[in-house]
Amino acid sequence: DGGITQSPKYLFRKEGQNVTLSCEQNLNHDAMYWYRQDPGQGLRLIYYSQIVNDFQKGDIAEGYSVSREKKESFPLTVTSAQKNPTAFYLCASSMIGQGNTDTQYFGPGTRLTVL
Amino acid sequence: QQQVKQSPQSLIVQKGGISIINCAYENTAFDYFPWYQQFPGKGPALLIAIRPDVSEKKEGRFTISFNKSAKQFSLHIMDSQPGDSATYFCAASIGSGGSNYKLTFGKGTLLTVNP
Repeated sequence: DGGITQSPKYLFRKEGQNVTLSCEQNLNHDAMYWYRQDPGQGLRLIYYSQIVNDFQKGDIAEGYSVSREKKESFPLTVTSAQKNPTAFYLCASSMIGQGNTDTQYFGPGTRLTVL
Repeated sequence: QQQVKQSPQSLIVQKGGISIINCAYENTAFDYFPWYQQFPGKGPALLIAIRPDVSEKKEGRFTISFNKSAKQFSLHIMDSQPGDSATYFCAASIGSGGSNYKLTFGKGTLLTVNP
């Protein structure tokens, strides 16, 4: 059963704590992305990675960190430096370099709430 | 600077009617324009996409109209159904077939189809 999985679905964090969101894909996609979604704001790109051991900052990378040690996995850490971390976080993946490959496929999301 | 402007923010349509959502972009380098559908608590799913070499693309009840000179594109949902009630996002990216796959999203349109 191919797709993108994100865990956990819901996550609660106390202020000042770091928390890591998991994203795994078995689609053999090269590129992976993290977006943040806030009500009325659309989706904003946090980080993206096109190859293992390499990643680039998106539009709102401050207070976040990522790693890409395996092709299948792209975890996102929300650090205590992120001022407004409460949001819905979405992971996506896509292929690269083979014709019609711009399509990004999204996971089910993780809703993070800071208490 | 918002590169993709989407309107309206919300839309209410009667069952069987036509739903129309509009997007305008600024960057003429954009060359891929997808529409995503998102149900509450779920990740977005690709609905339909278009490239600037065609002015219209139809898939079932969903049609994208593209006006390159006006830098606008729109989604038309014919014979709208209550099951179409969702949030719709337009997006744009640069560099199909190249190395840049960043999607820029509009802020979304909440569509409600009344029975």
